Amino acid sequence: GESVGLHLPTLSVQEGDNSIINCAYSNSASDYFIWYKQESGKGPQFIIDIRSNMDKRQGQRVTVLLNKTVKHLSLQIAATQPGDSAVYFCAENIAGGYQKVTFGTGTKLQVIP
Amino acid sequence: EADIYQTPRYLVIGTGKKITLECSQTMGHDKMYWYQQDPGMELHLIHYSYGVNSTEKGDLSSESTVSRIRTEHFPLTLESARPSHTSQYLCASSGIETQYFGPGTRLLVL
Repeated sequence: GESVGLHLPTLSVQEGDNSIINCAYSNSASDYFIWYKQESGKGPQFIIDIRSNMDKRQGQRVTVLLNKTVKHLSLQIAATQPGDSAVYFCAENIAGGYQKVTFGTGTKLQVIP
Repeated sequence: EADIYQTPRYLVIGTGKKITLECSQTMGHDKMYWYQQDPGMELHLIHYSYGVNSTEKGDLSSESTVSRIRTEHFPLTLESARPSHTSQYLCASSGIETQYFGPGTRLLVL
């Protein structure tokens, strides 16, 4: 079938290095942000989330940073492993009304052994 | 671990056939969604539902239709499949905010 949309940007990282994946969101009314990981042939999986009243949240090997001034979100992965190779999507949840989650374009992370 | 299921996982079908992609979740979520995703591309929302008897079209125009007769079930139907419908279809559900995805159905229309 005909593909719709943009091809995903790719980030290549050496195993053991830290990865930083960036995302720009569009709506200043968004109050909740989520990062998803999608491995080949699977559906997206929840990684970590952050609310708009925070600017940083840490999980296991992952950290999400939120800069509301420039509407920018980043996902940092420490000590990147081959199992981290996947496509990463950010999503914004726009508060009020009917609540809608909008997904960003996505970034493909390739880990070089 | 989210409990959301999609069947079939893979489907190869001829042009003009009617198909239904099944999606079910056991979490009691009110909100359910269908996305279309081509390999290496973005997710596009094609349908969503906020509860029983509620269905809305998403951001990407689609010739498919959906129904929501039961909370746990959100099937997607194509009345007459065409090669342009070849894609991956992902179903998701959510409680308050976070969406949980099924494994997807890869559809190939010949």
